[in-house]
Amino acid sequence: QSALTQPPSASGSPGQSVTISCTGTSSDVGGYNYVSWYQQHPGKAPKLMIYEVSKRPSGVPDRFSGSKSGNTASLTVSGLQAEDEADYYCSSYAVGSNLVFGGGTKLTVL
Amino acid sequence: QVQLQESGPGLVKPSETLSLTCGVSGYSISSVNYWGCLRQPPGRGLEWIGYIHHSGSTYYNPSLRSRVAISMDTSKNQFSLKLNSVTAADTAVYYCARRGAGYSIDYWGQGTLVTVSS
Repeated sequence: QSALTQPPSASGSPGQSVTISCTGTSSDVGGYNYVSWYQQHPGKAPKLMIYEVSKRPSGVPDRFSGSKSGNTASLTVSGLQAEDEADYYCSSYAVGSNLVFGGGTKLTVL
Repeated sequence: QVQLQESGPGLVKPSETLSLTCGVSGYSISSVNYWGCLRQPPGRGLEWIGYIHHSGSTYYNPSLRSRVAISMDTSKNQFSLKLNSVTAADTAVYYCARRGAGYSIDYWGQGTLVTVSS
């Protein structure tokens, strides 16, 4: 049982936009602007895509954006491309636990 | 460019201690940062294990705190994980990592599979 709740799957066609949610509580997602998102291709290490809710590290395309409302954070991928097909994980600072993750969402590009 | 490399046994017997060393290149671990470990059981999600700060302070996942220790060797620019009394539930890919801004993990090692089995 992961601390943060993500949908197990999401999908979209090339060029479309897709949004993945990450729901926590006021002790983690809702209480702090310390939500991160990671992309993980099969057999590879995760890659940081978004930090502090909506900031992009250098080199991450601006097709990837993050937001938060209340206890739910969201990752939006616009202009879907085939290489975006991967697993996506959210994480958040959490009181008492320091760092918690969601269970992951498998993004399929149709 | 910061690079992390995990090294250690790929097979550990139940009840024994899992040991993992994380070598760091391209950055001094004595600089202001947190260094730590995460794991991912096969086919499952990510779990944070713990961090060590450059000052030597440590922070651990409450669910693992009684069994885990992270230490650092600045002379070798590396840090190490020890997880004792392992069971099959500890079988996972173990990652070395650096904590970045806002509790993000900005650099990851390639990961190493550790299997707990007799």
